[in-house]
Amino acid sequence: GAGVSQSPSNKVTEKGKDVELRCDPISGHTALYWYRQSLGQGLEFLIYFQGNSAPDKSGLPSDRFSAERTGGSVSTLTIQRTQQEDSAVYLCASSLFSGNTGELFFGEGSRLTVL
Amino acid sequence: DQQVKQNSPSLSVQEGRISILNCDYTNSMFDYFLWYKKYPAEGPTFLISISSIKDKNEDGRFTVFLNKSAKHLSLHIVPSQPGDSAVYFCAAISGTYKYIFGTGTRLKVLA
Repeated sequence: GAGVSQSPSNKVTEKGKDVELRCDPISGHTALYWYRQSLGQGLEFLIYFQGNSAPDKSGLPSDRFSAERTGGSVSTLTIQRTQQEDSAVYLCASSLFSGNTGELFFGEGSRLTVL
Repeated sequence: DQQVKQNSPSLSVQEGRISILNCDYTNSMFDYFLWYKKYPAEGPTFLISISSIKDKNEDGRFTVFLNKSAKHLSLHIVPSQPGDSAVYFCAAISGTYKYIFGTGTRLKVLA
């Protein structure tokens, strides 16, 4: 596709369940990011992938969060044993290069609601 | 530790007037700054950027000003249009890859 694609667009789950969020970056983009936006908050960095390098996981809020990127393309963000504070919009972004070359291209986000 | 701050959560401006959105940062190592615009139910989209070696960058109705000594940047929109109504995020990067975003300012342009 032409842009970053995320699925599902909306997910409602019960506390304690596991969820998986998927991101298809723009073809050829080597850098992939996950951010989340909680109500009234800015975009919080979660994790960064660049090519075959080890990801920067420094933004993951707890060990319940994990992410992988298969084949340098599609990425999955997994949240285990979800809690109500995990409710947020999870945004994926990709860019052609890493570093200060300009823009990130964002998907429309996956809105997660934990009841 | 909020390294990028947007202290005004919202701003209302009359159509045709200037909109000024402000952003402050604390990390002097930031060397590239960006503004993103976000409509409801959409991902943020890139608007304009500025390198730390410049103090101004202009693109049509949008101008970004950078004051390094004050660690302050601002986005000017002239003239403001109703379609500019959105949430605006400023972001900064310190030469690697970690873009740090502010909390956003919701701009409403009144017709």
